[in-house]
Amino acid sequence: DAGVIQSPRHEVTEMGQEVTLRCKPISGHDYLFWYRQTMMRGLELLIYFNNNVPIDDSGMPEDRFSAKMPNASFSTLKIQPSEPRDSAVYFCASSTAGTGGQPQHFGDGTRLSIL
Amino acid sequence: AQSVTQLDSQVPVFEEAPVELRCNYSSSVSVYLFWYVQYPNQGLQLLLKYLSGSTLVKGINGFEAEFNKSQTSFHLRKPSVHISDTAEYFCAGAGAGNMLTFGGGTRLMVKP
Repeated sequence: DAGVIQSPRHEVTEMGQEVTLRCKPISGHDYLFWYRQTMMRGLELLIYFNNNVPIDDSGMPEDRFSAKMPNASFSTLKIQPSEPRDSAVYFCASSTAGTGGQPQHFGDGTRLSIL
Repeated sequence: AQSVTQLDSQVPVFEEAPVELRCNYSSSVSVYLFWYVQYPNQGLQLLLKYLSGSTLVKGINGFEAEFNKSQTSFHLRKPSVHISDTAEYFCAGAGAGNMLTFGGGTRLMVKP
């Protein structure tokens, strides 16, 4: 079975540029999560969706960050304009539930470097 | 507030030695507990989970964890580690109506 697929795996761009990260969740999973991982702050939940609808975006750091889920098989996380402090590994995860005992399944992440 | 605490940020250990990675959770995190492993340049993979029943949970790659309600702990153990176990390990917990909360991670470094 295909897992969560993220693209690109690596992205290097200059500050001020727009960055778009992509995620394809596991088929049948109704929940999709976006995380950011840094050495300083560890793993942070940015936003999550249920049935394509954003439920909680309180972890989104600033208005420069936006996320969409136009259909059940695709989500994007966009940063515009990007800044060096946005450099991190961004993970997408999906699950059959948002809470409780169902595990989340993670993609391999996008390593983002903003110069 | 929910919280999951991993007491050690790094654990160095020699190959073939036993290892224990410690995790404590707040009582509000409640009953569902997980251990994930993250190998370099990869995402988090589920090692094992505790939902209910037997307090000793066996996972992949020879790992096991024990749920201890009185000590609010869910420590991860392996009797004999390999070089390939070098990775970062995350403990996570959730309540019935709560989101998954991750600990800060423990970097396991297996030395030859």
